[in-house]
Amino acid sequence: ETGVTQTPRHLVMGMTNKKSLKCEQHLGHNAMYWYKQSAKKPLELMFVYNFKEQTENNSVPSRFSPECPNSSHLFLHLHTLQPEDSALYLCASSQERGLGYTFGSGTRLTVV
Amino acid sequence: QQQVKQSPQSLIVQKGGISIINCAYENTAFDYFPWYQQFPGKGPALLIAIRPDVSEKKEGRFTISFNKSAKQFSLHIMDSQPGDSATYFCAASGGSGSRLTFGEGTQLTVNP
Repeated sequence: ETGVTQTPRHLVMGMTNKKSLKCEQHLGHNAMYWYKQSAKKPLELMFVYNFKEQTENNSVPSRFSPECPNSSHLFLHLHTLQPEDSALYLCASSQERGLGYTFGSGTRLTVV
Repeated sequence: QQQVKQSPQSLIVQKGGISIINCAYENTAFDYFPWYQQFPGKGPALLIAIRPDVSEKKEGRFTISFNKSAKQFSLHIMDSQPGDSATYFCAASGGSGSRLTFGEGTQLTVNP
């Protein structure tokens, strides 16, 4: 384990479902990130939280809703997703923005 | 100006050979250049990183070469092994307060 734990590891959901992805870190890091990784595409930054405050939203559709209740936990709430949203969703944390990211193992999401 | 361009997209090397992956950047404010290694089913893991005050950093079989004037940096894997087969990402950031910008990734295959 890297110190960043993501659950679930795999998720299959229908387009009308609502589900949440969870990320937890106990590294004492202050910044947390959500990334989307699709096959044959670069890592896509979705959201950035710094000291629990959202500091970046990279034009992500509203069907993805992040939540950061404290500096150790990060959630990604999903609703009415599309098949093209199927991807590996990665959470990462760092002590400071831009330095030494630690990634979780990701949640493999399949939208059917 | 925030882009980091990585090449090649894929690389096949024989066991014992040298693997070389290159990255180029435009933003002269970048001052932190890490490389990440990702195995299938796992998140990227920090492999090695360099700051522009040195031209080379070596850790075991992995070496980063940095050319500040050309705004290029590269990863060299000496004596490549089948266990090195993974996807490698270069990245760059402007230090504290800025986010990490990732290259597109290189899929390395080391044949036995």
